[in-house]
Amino acid sequence: RKEVEQDPGPFNVPEGATVAFNCTYSNSASQSFFWYRQDCRKEPKLLMSVYSSGNEDGRFTAQLNRASQYISLLIRDSKLSDSATYLCVADRGSTLGRLYFGRGTQLTVWP
Amino acid sequence: GAGVSQTPSNKVTEKGKYVELRCDPISGHTALYWYRQSLGQGPEFLIYFQGTGAADDSGLPNDRFFAVRPEGSVSTLKIQRTERGDSAVYLCASSLGGGHSSFFFGQGTRLTVV
Repeated sequence: RKEVEQDPGPFNVPEGATVAFNCTYSNSASQSFFWYRQDCRKEPKLLMSVYSSGNEDGRFTAQLNRASQYISLLIRDSKLSDSATYLCVADRGSTLGRLYFGRGTQLTVWP
Repeated sequence: GAGVSQTPSNKVTEKGKYVELRCDPISGHTALYWYRQSLGQGPEFLIYFQGTGAADDSGLPNDRFFAVRPEGSVSTLKIQRTERGDSAVYLCASSLGGGHSSFFFGQGTRLTVV
């Protein structure tokens, strides 16, 4: 079983829509969680960290449910520029070292 | 430079050949990571350096893969006797002290083994 599992999609939504992505992680010792964004043929870039209390950054809201080992990302008022692959990421349970990436969820926002 | 630099950006090699991929991390970043990303998958961990030493090499798939960071800055990933299954994008990342908040990827080297 992979450390981080997420639905690969694709998700195709119109501009202005709200879309939610989910992922699960298998290592209960994981401490840090992130969402990364990856554009086609580009490197992954940090979108936001995910905290237990939930956190929001503009149109983006991330939630963590430790009991269910579940992470979510909500995008409100989708823009064309949100089209990308969104990678769910967990650490190995220490503050240093490797990160575990999901396979990514592909989002296309159409006009 | 301002970011993580990887060279070459693209590499095509014949099956059985040896290749070297270079990573130049952000200045001052002590932690350096190599990941491999196959088509349709997320990045998979290969090796992590803290300074000059490999702190975790458990992700290297077999003994054909080796990486060095002799002076604690530039790193080279070396692949011997390349196989078609080694074709992927090899991503390097660096961070300040190993923390995740300052973790940045380079643009990657796209390796194609024919």
